[in-house]
Amino acid sequence: NAGVTQTPKFRILKIGQSMTLQCTQDMNHNYMYWYRQDPGMGLKLIYYSVGAGITDKGEVPNGYNVSRSTTEDFPLRLELAAPSQTSVYFCASGTGINEQFFGPGTRLTVL
Amino acid sequence: EDKVVQSPLSLVVHEGDTVTLNCSYEVTNFRSLLWYKQEKKAPTFLFMLTSSGIEKKSGRLSSILDKKELFSILNITATQTGDSAIYLCAVDRSSGGGADGLTFGKGTHLIIQP
Repeated sequence: NAGVTQTPKFRILKIGQSMTLQCTQDMNHNYMYWYRQDPGMGLKLIYYSVGAGITDKGEVPNGYNVSRSTTEDFPLRLELAAPSQTSVYFCASGTGINEQFFGPGTRLTVL
Repeated sequence: EDKVVQSPLSLVVHEGDTVTLNCSYEVTNFRSLLWYKQEKKAPTFLFMLTSSGIEKKSGRLSSILDKKELFSILNITATQTGDSAIYLCAVDRSSGGGADGLTFGKGTHLIIQP
């Protein structure tokens, strides 16, 4: 099992550009999550999904969009990148009962 | 507003010392409290606590939850340099059978000096 995989590992964007962060899990988990982590801060929930076709906002959803067309994939879309979105992004998955499993993260810089 | 507060935010000790990391919480719904260890990359799971007073143990690490006083501690005995990491505390606030994400504290940055 690869677990939770994320691509790319690093990315630099210019202000106003858009991009999609990819997340895939092979554990057949229904629940998937996107978090961001700023320096010296804990993780903050952006969006989550309880199954294919169902998504919901977390604590900091502004400036982001998600979709969940399959159980395995949960991409995160940034439409108009802003410097405030410079962060490390973690995708996670779980059964909804026990712990969440995290991907290796994507480090995004917006200049 | 739901919040999870960890203390200390940073801690430097010598190899062999014992450390205690603290996590207090104020949330509207509580299902469980989780501890994660974060080195350079993804957080890795340590413990999940749901009941008061029951210690969870894994090697030199142990943790306990007090649901009356709303806090948890993570103990590490005989620390080693490999224990150096950020330790994250998170609360699962899910209710109604759902699982709508974790609320994290800022973490404790632990440095073990040789």
